[in-house]
Amino acid sequence: EPEVTQTPSHQVTQMGQEVILRCVPISNHLYFYWYRQILGQKVEFLVSFYNNEISEKSEIFDDQFSVERPDGSNFTLKIRSTKLEDSAMYFCASSVLAAGQLFFGEGSRLTVL
Amino acid sequence: RKEVEQDPGPFNVPEGATVAFNCTYSNSASQSFFWYRQDCRKEPKLLMSVYSSGNEDGRFTAQLNRASQYISLLIRDSKLSDSATYLCVVNIPIQGAQKLVFGQGTRLTINP
Repeated sequence: EPEVTQTPSHQVTQMGQEVILRCVPISNHLYFYWYRQILGQKVEFLVSFYNNEISEKSEIFDDQFSVERPDGSNFTLKIRSTKLEDSAMYFCASSVLAAGQLFFGEGSRLTVL
Repeated sequence: RKEVEQDPGPFNVPEGATVAFNCTYSNSASQSFFWYRQDCRKEPKLLMSVYSSGNEDGRFTAQLNRASQYISLLIRDSKLSDSATYLCVVNIPIQGAQKLVFGQGTRLTINP
């Protein structure tokens, strides 16, 4: 069964460092998303991406965040200068339709020290 | 009003019991509704989509009430393996784009 894959599974970084989280969505999916979940809290929408551009982003997704689809398979989330409060699980998801079922990767746990 | 709201629980019920969760949403233009399940420190996984006429999948029944803007999930004959956090997900249409928004989740523990 096709699946969304994410790397790394866990990354520890120092405050102020840049981090890139990588995702390979399901190959025939057209819509891509990043969500985050701070430990013990809800799953929060960060950004959606379609046709090589951001279609929607949340208030959390400020200038420190960016997304890219550098080739036909990868979808990346970059945090330019990490803060302590960026520590969370980051989930990538993809879907066939705009408001269709989301398929999630296993997540990348980011710990900022 | 929050975009998607759920009772966080926790719900603690004995094995074999029937349990029901509700979820309310604020945007009357929402068209897509889902229930996801999340186990501790794992990714959310689709439990079932919610259709206008209501739908059933084994022990699970989902209902949509557009007039009151809520969806529900009923679990019959609960099993120990049903212990998880149940997440309500609703699409929010925004000027041609969409975002799928999660409720805070309802934590369920099934006790032997």
